[in-house]
Amino acid sequence: GNSVTQMEGPVTLSEEAFLTINCTYTATGYPSLFWYVQYPGEGLQLLLKATKADDKGSNKGFEATYRKETTSFHLEKGSVQVSDSAVYFCALSDPDTDKLIFGTGTRLQVFP
Amino acid sequence: NAGVTQTPKFRILKIGQSMTLQCTQDMNHNYMYWYRQDPGMGLKLIYYSVGAGITDKGEVPNGYNVSRSTTEDFPLRLELAAPSQTSVYFCASSSGVRREPNGELFFGEGSRLTVL
Repeated sequence: GNSVTQMEGPVTLSEEAFLTINCTYTATGYPSLFWYVQYPGEGLQLLLKATKADDKGSNKGFEATYRKETTSFHLEKGSVQVSDSAVYFCALSDPDTDKLIFGTGTRLQVFP
Repeated sequence: NAGVTQTPKFRILKIGQSMTLQCTQDMNHNYMYWYRQDPGMGLKLIYYSVGAGITDKGEVPNGYNVSRSTTEDFPLRLELAAPSQTSVYFCASSSGVRREPNGELFFGEGSRLTVL
């Protein structure tokens, strides 16, 4: 079945460090891929998405590229800020339905 | 801009009690979803709806019921609450993840339920 695997957290970084959060997927067909972010005490909100192979999604300095050959959608940011501290979820859209399948989430903690 | 509104935000139940989590959205979305979030387990889909009068089971529907009498509202009913239902519940809505402009899900702020 379709699934998403994320790296375990927490990821702890100093401000201005480079961030990578790994995400790989298993899917039949051609899903869209998403990163959602959950700030403390809030619901999830869309961070970025990519709908086909080699697409790059970007927002707020974060980027992720849809890699079909490695079935990956890793999240990167060149210089993190304390305000980026949150839980990040990778997700894919089931190609046959309107459901999203989420990974387990990765907590990012950024210290000054 | 209310978006997706969930109530209550917090609730403590005794084993065997019943309750309804309310969810309403003002974006005229056809698709609505209920997820539960357990620590370290990500989000699991409980039920979803593709339009008024239509509902379907997700991954973990046991112990829950839903209805969708209007486009705006999608309540989640817990019958005979059990400790295993202690979780944070999120309602979400969408115009459809496969549809443009971007298939985004809009989430409520969550309802934290504890069953003792």
